[in-house]
Amino acid sequence: GAVVSQHPSRVICKSGTSVKIECRSLDFQATTMFWYRQFPKQSLMLMATSNEGSKATYEQGVEKDKFLINHASLTLSTLTVTSAHPEDSSFYICSAIRAGGELYQPQHFGDGTRLSIL
Amino acid sequence: EDKVVQSPLSLVVHEGDTVTLNCSYEVTNFRSLLWYKQEKKAPTFLFMLTSSGIEKKSGRLSSILDKKELFSILNITATQTGDSAIYLCAHTGNQFYFGTGTSLTVIP
Repeated sequence: GAVVSQHPSRVICKSGTSVKIECRSLDFQATTMFWYRQFPKQSLMLMATSNEGSKATYEQGVEKDKFLINHASLTLSTLTVTSAHPEDSSFYICSAIRAGGELYQPQHFGDGTRLSIL
Repeated sequence: EDKVVQSPLSLVVHEGDTVTLNCSYEVTNFRSLLWYKQEKKAPTFLFMLTSSGIEKKSGRLSSILDKKELFSILNITATQTGDSAIYLCAHTGNQFYFGTGTSLTVIP
């Protein structure tokens, strides 16, 4: 089956640090990857849609300069939380759609990254 | 504006009970409705529904879609403690929209 690997699974760092999270599709190519944020006991909030070779599309209210997304290849997208502050602490999850797959097909999710900013 | 609303927000039942989770949606360009189960980490895919009235079934779980009423339900029969999770529904129109989620707790 389709596997998406997300790394790291847990980050604890000081305020002001920039944190990079990687999302890789291990056994398929993904032209589109999604980045979500999830607060405890709440649903997934779409932050941005990442398309290989082009700029990410951010949802309303998500700061582009704060959450930098790079989708440099068909198997890798990265999310960098720049100058992270305690309010950025959250669970971040990525997902991917197979290249050639339609948007309405199920997404394959990574295991998420729990980010804690002290 | 596209949106997805799930109810109830949380539910506590005893093992063996049957539960029904609800998902209503508004979408300008419907393509599919998806159900996911999320335990501690990544959501896992359960069902994809595209046509009204056709029940999809997997073991004790089943789901059906009503495109006229813009509504879907997820049924779980003979619940087990392992069913405890957040259940998410999402619709795909021009984009993916996840619902608010239902937190299900099954107690022994």
